[in-house]
Amino acid sequence: DIQMTQSPSTLSASVGDRVTITCRASQSISSYLAWYQQKPGKAPKLLIYKASTLESGVPSRFSGSGSGTEFTLTISSLQPDDFATYYCQQYYSYSLTFGGGTKVEIK
Amino acid sequence: QLQLRESGPGLVKPSETLSLTCTVSGGSISSSSFYWGWIRQPPGKGLEWIGSIYYSESGSTYYNPSLKSRVTMSVDTSKNQFSLKLTSVTAADTAVYYCARLTNSHEVNYWGQGTLVTVSS
Repeated sequence: DIQMTQSPSTLSASVGDRVTITCRASQSISSYLAWYQQKPGKAPKLLIYKASTLESGVPSRFSGSGSGTEFTLTISSLQPDDFATYYCQQYYSYSLTFGGGTKVEIK
Repeated sequence: QLQLRESGPGLVKPSETLSLTCTVSGGSISSSSFYWGWIRQPPGKGLEWIGSIYYSESGSTYYNPSLKSRVTMSVDTSKNQFSLKLTSVTAADTAVYYCARLTNSHEVNYWGQGTLVTVSS
């Protein structure tokens, strides 16, 4: 299995901050990476796919970058609605795997 | 608007079989553009992919290697539903189970609301 490692596991930030979350793959996954946002008690929501393509309807303050084994999710200006847990997922292999999650908390 | 809804028992005894069904509305499960899958999340923990299935008669399936020996997925196109069976469950299988639609690339672009399944005697 391809292992996905996210960092940090928890991040404290304020409204308006620029936030960056990192996801590393145990082997190259090209650009086959997606990012999801999950709020408590809700299903995850797709934000970004193919490492950098914004899903329809997702605010432009979200962006993704990277290829190979290292990827980042950036929120350019954190909004109150963005406090949530974020997961990366690789789909290079049909044995899909998720990162452990990054919880973005209010500072 | 596509909707996915999980249904099935919320409580399963250890060693028994967990059975869930996902009913798809607002779209056809027979679309050539998508796979259908199950993902679970133990309380307070992260996401774990269980498996994915394609609607066709051959029903191409992909399962998580760590669960493969216990998992069976199937599709019923006449009912626009797909199903999950997980055998020999233990407390470690307690989780919120989500059904989902995956693109042909296998990112998940639609999720059900999730259903909590507790394994306990």
